[in-house]
Amino acid sequence: KNEVEQSPQNLTAQEGEFITINCSYSVGISALHWLQQHPGGGIVSLFMLSSGKKKHGRLIATINIQEKHSSLHITASHPRDSAVYICAVPYSGGGADGLTFGKGTHLIIQP
Amino acid sequence: GAGVSQSPSNKVTEKGKDVELRCDPISGHTALYWYRQRLGQGLEFLIYFQGNSAPDKSGLPSDRFSAERTGESVSTLTIQRTQQEDSAVYLCASSLTGGPGYEQFFGPGTRLTVL
Repeated sequence: KNEVEQSPQNLTAQEGEFITINCSYSVGISALHWLQQHPGGGIVSLFMLSSGKKKHGRLIATINIQEKHSSLHITASHPRDSAVYICAVPYSGGGADGLTFGKGTHLIIQP
Repeated sequence: GAGVSQSPSNKVTEKGKDVELRCDPISGHTALYWYRQRLGQGLEFLIYFQGNSAPDKSGLPSDRFSAERTGESVSTLTIQRTQQEDSAVYLCASSLTGGPGYEQFFGPGTRLTVL
């Protein structure tokens, strides 16, 4: 089973700050997911990436397959970015199966 | 089209009773996943369906848990003889097909409370 570590567990920042959340995993994978869980509990997929970098609005995700590490960045953070951000990878490393998840990073952006 | 739906949204039951949780995936999605999230904890994988078959049941925590899927659509997760530690939010997700390169779309979850 793949193991996922995220850091930090909690992060409080001021509006406008650049945010970085890190994720590392134990077994080689073909794709990694970043998810956002809103305070009400709903989960939204932000990114799925297998190499390099992806950008969507103020969000940027990068992955280094060789180092088994990914980062999620938020530029010009805003209070509406406050949520739990979760990194997830295939349960057994590859193939068609479910996801195993990091414990999440609880982000609070203060105005 | 509609997203993933789950029912009921909340279920309160007594210890020892059986419960059934339902998931309706996005139409046309052949892969379906069940996860659970216990209070204050991360998400855990339970089971994955590709079509109507479940190639990976390794996440089911005990033999009290079972799931089935019919017609490549609706899935039911059944928990027999519920215990208090089964209290959690049970989430369903679907994707176009199985595989790491496909985005998973999550339902709103069923909050199960076992008294």
